[in-house]
Amino acid sequence: AQSVTQPDIHITVSEGASLELRCNYSYGATPYLFWYVQSPGQGLQLLLKYFSGDTLVQGIKGFEAEFKRSQSSFNLRKPSVHWSDAAEYFCAVAVMDSNYQLIWGAGTKLIIKP
Amino acid sequence: EPEVTQTPSHQVTQMGQEVILRCVPISNHLYFYWYRQILGQKVEFLVSFYNNEISEKSEIFDDQFSVERPDGSNFTLKIRSTKLEDSAMYFCASSVRQGGNNEQFFGPGTRLTVL
Repeated sequence: AQSVTQPDIHITVSEGASLELRCNYSYGATPYLFWYVQSPGQGLQLLLKYFSGDTLVQGIKGFEAEFKRSQSSFNLRKPSVHWSDAAEYFCAVAVMDSNYQLIWGAGTKLIIKP
Repeated sequence: EPEVTQTPSHQVTQMGQEVILRCVPISNHLYFYWYRQILGQKVEFLVSFYNNEISEKSEIFDDQFSVERPDGSNFTLKIRSTKLEDSAMYFCASSVRQGGNNEQFFGPGTRLTVL
């Protein structure tokens, strides 16, 4: 069965430091890949998505993610985090076998140290 | 910018009661979805809806659940007889088309608490 793994439950970084959030998926073909962010009390906002083409995708709020087929990964990065980036980040995939339902990772909570 | 809205933001109910969660999808979208997130757990797909029919549902979506598009704008999720384990955040989403490369836009969620 398809699955998405986000190995880090929490990550703490200092404001201004770089960030990388990990995401691995289990699926035979290339899935459609997404990163969503959920701020406290808010809904799920799409940060970026990968469907095909350039494996480095740019998103909103200065985020980017790189699809690496050989590692079945789609890690999210940001060169310099801001206190407002504190939130929970979810990786999700959509696969044809599941009729393109979004299959979600467990999320990574990002904590920003001042 | 158009957005998906959900009401209420928080619903508290007694076990065994019926609840209706309401969503207004983005107006030109044709596909509608409900997901839920139990506290501390993953977001889980419940159901997708198109052309006034359920197009896909998960194992979670049993006979206690139903969805409806009663008019041209609302999309509702009904839980007939709530259980304690139904306590969760429920998210509505909509998309223009179905398919992996179509973005689903999410509402802010309704937090359901069953006592």
